[in-house]
Amino acid sequence: AQKVTQAQTEISVVEKEDVTLDCVYETRDTTYYLFWYKQPPSGELVFLIRRNSFDEQNEISGRYSWNFQKSTSSFNFTITASQVVDSAVYFCALSEIKAAGNKLTFGGGTRVLVKP
Amino acid sequence: DGGITQSPKYLFRKEGQNVTLSCEQNLNHDAMYWYRQDPGQGLRLIYYSQIVNDFQKGDIAEGYSVSREKKESFPLTVTSAQKNPTAFYLCASSLFATGIEETQYFGPGTRLLVL
Repeated sequence: AQKVTQAQTEISVVEKEDVTLDCVYETRDTTYYLFWYKQPPSGELVFLIRRNSFDEQNEISGRYSWNFQKSTSSFNFTITASQVVDSAVYFCALSEIKAAGNKLTFGGGTRVLVKP
Repeated sequence: DGGITQSPKYLFRKEGQNVTLSCEQNLNHDAMYWYRQDPGQGLRLIYYSQIVNDFQKGDIAEGYSVSREKKESFPLTVTSAQKNPTAFYLCASSLFATGIEETQYFGPGTRLLVL
């Protein structure tokens, strides 16, 4: 069975500090996709990034960056120079293919609190 | 604007009552999903649908029912058999049903409370 673990339940930082969110996954599939979503206080999940298992190249998008390491089954997410608007719960998810369609397995989420 | 809408934002259920949560999308997506989120936890899949008039159970389908009569609509009914329905319910959709690369996009959610 697939599993996604986000060991950090809550991280509190002061504005402009960097914050790294850990995500470790388990799967028997050789082909899979990993996702990060952001859930602000309003509740809606906002898609941030998607990465496939064959592409270990790290990615940077503005203040966000992602470090995918297949050897350690990790897909970590860093927010550089955090801002108050980054305060949210962040979810890591793993996609598996099933006979009747794909399915996302979510981690438990990490709450990020950025203080001014 | 294209997107996913869920209504109502808040819903109150009395004991023994069935309630229906609405989910509509105008993205022309084939697949739709329902998730449940309990406080401090991740999302768990209730039901999903690849095409009209077809749907499959997710990990926690007991006490819930769905229908998919139209491509753009996927309502969820929380029945009286669901003994602990208080949760945040999120609807999602993806362009295609198959393909693990498909990104799921989420609606704003409905918070269900039991009176």
